[in-house]
Amino acid sequence: AQSVTQPDIHITVSEGASLELRCNYSYGATPYLFWYVQSPGQGLQLLLKYFSGDTLVQGIKGFEAEFKRSQSSFNLRKPSVHWSDAAEYFCAVGDLQGGSNYKLTFGKGTLLTVNP
Amino acid sequence: EPEVTQTPSHQVTQMGQEVILRCVPISNHLYFYWYRQILGQKVEFLVSFYNNEISEKSEIFDDQFSVERPDGSNFTLKIRSTKLEDSAMYFCASSPGQYNEQFFGPGTRLTVL
Repeated sequence: AQSVTQPDIHITVSEGASLELRCNYSYGATPYLFWYVQSPGQGLQLLLKYFSGDTLVQGIKGFEAEFKRSQSSFNLRKPSVHWSDAAEYFCAVGDLQGGSNYKLTFGKGTLLTVNP
Repeated sequence: EPEVTQTPSHQVTQMGQEVILRCVPISNHLYFYWYRQILGQKVEFLVSFYNNEISEKSEIFDDQFSVERPDGSNFTLKIRSTKLEDSAMYFCASSPGQYNEQFFGPGTRLTVL
């Protein structure tokens, strides 16, 4: 069965610093990969997705992620973090094997704190 | 920008009671989903729904759960007889197509006492 691991439960960075959030997945076929962000009281907002093609994916709010098949990873990066980026970040893999549309399997999330 | 809405934002119920969680997906979307997140745990898939029927369900989605699209706009999750372990945040999501991204609502926090 597919699984997603986010090894960092909580990360603290200073505003303006660079950020990398790690995500590793286990999936038998070519995965659909996603990063979602959740601010307090809000739903899950999609940052970016990888379905196929270029392995470096650009998303909203200045985020990017790189799919590395050899490492089964899909790490999220941002060159300069803003205070408004403080939130919880979820990596997810889409599983098409079970039916006509994909279901998402999520990691446990990484809580990002941004210091001024 | 269109968004998925969910009501109520917080529901408190007694064990054994029935609850209905409501969702209004984005209007031109065709695929609908429910996920849940127990406090401190991962977001878990419950069920997907397309063309007025369940297309896939997880092992969590047992006979106590049901989903319905009673009209052209609402998508509901019913739990027939709630248990303490049903306490969680429940997220509704919708998608315009089979391989498109899923758009999530803000969630309903269900507390079972």
